[in-house]
Amino acid sequence: LAKTTQPISMDSYEGQEVNITCSHNNIATNDYITWYQQFPSQGPRFIIQGYKTKVTNEVASLFIPADRKSSTLSLPRVSLSDTAVYYCLVGESKGTSGTYKYIFGTGTRLKVLA
Amino acid sequence: DSGVTQTPKHLITATGQRVTLRCSPRSGDLSVYWYQQSLDQGLQFLIQYYNGEERAKGNILERFSAQQFPDLHSELNLSSLELGDSALYFCASSVVVGLAGPHNEQFFGPGTRLTVL
Repeated sequence: LAKTTQPISMDSYEGQEVNITCSHNNIATNDYITWYQQFPSQGPRFIIQGYKTKVTNEVASLFIPADRKSSTLSLPRVSLSDTAVYYCLVGESKGTSGTYKYIFGTGTRLKVLA
Repeated sequence: DSGVTQTPKHLITATGQRVTLRCSPRSGDLSVYWYQQSLDQGLQFLIQYYNGEERAKGNILERFSAQQFPDLHSELNLSSLELGDSALYFCASSVVVGLAGPHNEQFFGPGTRLTVL
């Protein structure tokens, strides 16, 4: 099973735009891609989801190319409170048996500096 | 507050013991998921139930089992515990059963921190 990979860490300054990419080679055909934010000792919190092209909500944008083998979370004008770990979540379906698993990316630790 | 509750918040036990973690999903959510988060393995999917039936299975050990009850709460049973089972265990719930289609986001509980000594 291919891993769903992300950069381990990123540093940014307040007010900058941050882009975090997730590679997901085995994504299930009909599944949406979802991104989560996690603070220490808390459960992941939903940020945004999409199927293809571009999705935007009040906190982020999500870019998904046509082959859907990757996705990029874009956080506009980050602040100190955006310091957290960010994960993508996809579904992977294997073989004719249709074995299905939910796969979280390896996580990206974002540190926002003043 | 996601609306998902998990008990207990912390659990300390010894190797070889058995524990039960409990999860109550958000009101109206039929799907319940269990995840394990350890430092070296990240967030790992264990198992999913939908309206009482098992729907997807991840890398769940044979020593672990789960069920979803008629009132939709779920329990994760961990037995013959080993040091390596020490981790945060998260429960999540959603309205739908998978990731196909919009509005399928999973809502996570605060987690149970299990320490095996």
